[in-house]
Amino acid sequence: QKEVEQNSGPLSVPEGAIASLNCTYSDRGSQSFFWYRQYSGKSPELIMFIYSNGDKEDGRFTAQLNKASQYVSLLIRDSQPSDSATYLCAVYTGGFKTIFGAGTRLFVKA
Amino acid sequence: KAGVTQTPRYLIKTRGQQVTLSCSPISGHRSVSWYQQTPGQGLQFLFEYFSETQRNKGNFPGRFSGRQFSNSRSEMNVSTLELGDSALYLCASCVGRGNTEAFFGQGTRLTVV
Repeated sequence: QKEVEQNSGPLSVPEGAIASLNCTYSDRGSQSFFWYRQYSGKSPELIMFIYSNGDKEDGRFTAQLNKASQYVSLLIRDSQPSDSATYLCAVYTGGFKTIFGAGTRLFVKA
Repeated sequence: KAGVTQTPRYLIKTRGQQVTLSCSPISGHRSVSWYQQTPGQGLQFLFEYFSETQRNKGNFPGRFSGRQFSNSRSEMNVSTLELGDSALYLCASCVGRGNTEAFFGQGTRLTVV
């Protein structure tokens, strides 16, 4: 079992729709959770982080964390073609080590 | 504020050779992590350094090594290169512990032929 799992996609949504990206992790002691966006040929950049159970909203983005289910998700409202990218879920497991999932490719159709 | 700088951007090496990659973190950031990115595998954690000390290491063979200097700049070295080492190597810096935002460099694209 991989430490951080994501559906590789591609996830295709029409412009204006909600994109839902999911991630599960194996280490129950994981402390911090991050979503990074990576455009083709570019480096990952942070979109959101979440530390506590529940929802955290930032503009069109909402991160959701459920530690009991070891599940974290990212919702993108009013998806735009510019949101088309690979989204990486990252989990800080402690011990100065952050584990990344393989990423979900999102394609927003205009 | 300058971002994370990685050099060189591109490298082509032959099997059996060794290579050294460099990473200069954001000023004031003392933690540097290295990742290998390949299609389908995502980012694989190589190691993390803080104040010249390696604090954690991923599941890579001993051919992969690194170090950090007193100015927080870091290098990673891969000896006896194999074709499977072809990848994008990314360096990330953060202020302290790994539970804060990581800022990535543009990466070094290594091709082993």
